Amino acid sequence: QQQVKQSPQSLIVQKGGISIINCAYENTAFDYFPWYQQFPGKGPALLIAIRPDVSEKKEGRFTISFNKSAKQFSLHIMDSQPGDSATYFCAASMVRGDKLIFGTGTRLQVFP
Amino acid sequence: SAVISQKPSRDICQRGTSLTIQCQVDSQVTMMFWYRQQPGQSLTLIATANQGSEATYESGFVIDKFPISRPNLTFSTLTVSNMSPEDSSIYLCSVSGLAGGPTYNEQFFGPGTRLTVL
Repeated sequence: QQQVKQSPQSLIVQKGGISIINCAYENTAFDYFPWYQQFPGKGPALLIAIRPDVSEKKEGRFTISFNKSAKQFSLHIMDSQPGDSATYFCAASMVRGDKLIFGTGTRLQVFP
Repeated sequence: SAVISQKPSRDICQRGTSLTIQCQVDSQVTMMFWYRQQPGQSLTLIATANQGSEATYESGFVIDKFPISRPNLTFSTLTVSNMSPEDSSIYLCSVSGLAGGPTYNEQFFGPGTRLTVL
């Protein structure tokens, strides 16, 4: 019940295309859902986050869509660029700022 | 966001030895955490480092193997004790509760310590 399931494991997208990564959770006590971007040899960097009372949040080319009834959320990267090539992790916590449960990660490759 | 540094950035250690990893933040923070990321895998929480008291460990992690200290609001250490090759991982500290800013409730990660045990 503490798991966060993430798919796909890897994703290849053409430059300018849309990258979509999906996550699902079981524990309805989760109240905060951040996405992290990690480049090789670096720590994860916070990208965007959402709470269950919001169905969508957009920051630049990055959008989170949240479906509370389905217990699913997704990250959309519009106009994907080669510089977006990284591993993306969804996560969940019961309290914002508290310990995080991470998804399994998605390795995104954007080709020119 | 906070500037988080970890020392060492990487190390190669012999089986049976111990390594202490330091995490330093440039601002006072409420929460500090230690995560493990095995090669090509996701992040798993080891423990929450509590200032002035014993750390809170997650299932599967014990204090004898991963003793943690947090003497103040900007510093913590994680020791990996009696190491085996299975301990080869990236160890990451993270912080939240950054004083005086809009990112108070966000969690930020350090650059990680890459540990290889032979």
